[in-house]
Formats: sequence, C-alpha cells, structure tokens
Amino acid sequence: GESVGLHLPTLSVQEGDNSIINCAYSNSASDYFIWYKQESGKGPQFIIDIRSNMDKRQGQRVTVLLNKTVKHLSLQIAATQPGDSAVYFCAENPMDSSYKLIFGSGTRLLVRP
Amino acid sequence: NAGVTQTPKFRILKIGQSMTLQCTQDMNHNYMYWYRQDPGMGLKLIYYSVGAGITDKGEVPNGYNVSRSTTEDFPLRLELAAPSQTSVYFCASSYDKVTGELFFGEGSRLTVL
Repeated sequence: GESVGLHLPTLSVQEGDNSIINCAYSNSASDYFIWYKQESGKGPQFIIDIRSNMDKRQGQRVTVLLNKTVKHLSLQIAATQPGDSAVYFCAENPMDSSYKLIFGSGTRLLVRP
Repeated sequence: NAGVTQTPKFRILKIGQSMTLQCTQDMNHNYMYWYRQDPGMGLKLIYYSVGAGITDKGEVPNGYNVSRSTTEDFPLRLELAAPSQTSVYFCASSYDKVTGELFFGEGSRLTVL
C-alpha cells in the first residue's frame, strides 16, 4: 500500500549545526515529493519539492535529497536556527492520485540555543 | 493578500450537533482541500475540489460534506458530530493539481464532547 513515514519522530540539534530529517516512502511509482514545515498552532508551510527525475534540489539553507533505489527522502537544513524549530512533514504524490498528497506523520525538530 | 482564511479557529460541539467550518481563499485557486490532523499524526484528506461545482472524496470522507458554489469558498459540513471528529481541520488551496505548493489556512480546532 501507499505510505510515507519518518525514521525519527524527534530530532534535537544545537543552534548552528546542520539538521537532517529523513523520510521513507513505499510507492515506487510516486513522482513528486514535498517537504512542509508546521510551526505550533499554524498550518503547514511549503519548504521545497523535488520530482522523481532529480536526486537533489537546493533552496535557501535547505537541500532535499531523493534516493529512489531505497525509496528514501531527506531534508537537510544548514546552520539550524531557533526559528527552524517546528514539525516537518514529507508528502508523496502517487501517480494514481493526482489530486491528493499522502503525508507522513512528521518529525519534530528542536533547536537548542 | 489574505491567502486562505478559516473560521472559526476553535469550537466545542456536543455529540449530535452540526456545524460548518468556513474556508475562503483570495488567490483565485481552482483546487481546494480539506484535511484533518489528529494529535501526533500527519494530515488526512477529507474532501477536495478541482473547481466550482466539482467535489470529490478523499481518504476519510465519512461524517462530512462539502460544497463548492464559488471559486473562493469551500465550506466543510459536519452533520452529526461524533467524538471521533475531534481534530484540527486545515483548509488548503493550490493553483494547479497537486504537483505544486499547497497554501494552508491556520486551522480550526474542533472538540466534540
């Protein structure tokens, strides 16, 4: 079946360090992946996306890596800041579900000052 | 530009009561979605709409109804509230079908007692 999950439910990092948040997906036919950030009491906010024909995409301080061989997705945050503290979700768009994303359960990132 | 606006932000219902969660967006997006988020979980799609007059079920539609009479508005109706519907509800919109960014509202926290 289709599922998107995360290896680590909570990640604690020191301010200034790099953070890596991981995600596994099960549908090898999925062609599009998105990372969202959700701060406490707010709706999810788009961070970065990647299509299945790419293995890396960079944004501002963030990089998403896609390993289709092992069906693994990761979000790297450089020089983590206190404002990065949030829950991060990966989402998968299976090819047979054009109008809906499948979200993972989330990883909480805590940034220590 | 307000984006996606949801009301109310909080509501307590008794079992069997009915209510409507309002959602409006001012970005002229064709695609709109309702998700629910249970504690510590990812988002589950309830209903979605690809344009005015068109709606379809998502993963967890039972107990809910929607309508889309205009491009801007996508209300979610709970007819007979049950404790299982206690959750945080998020409305979202997107310009295109789900291969792009979803814009989320700030959520409506519903408690059914």
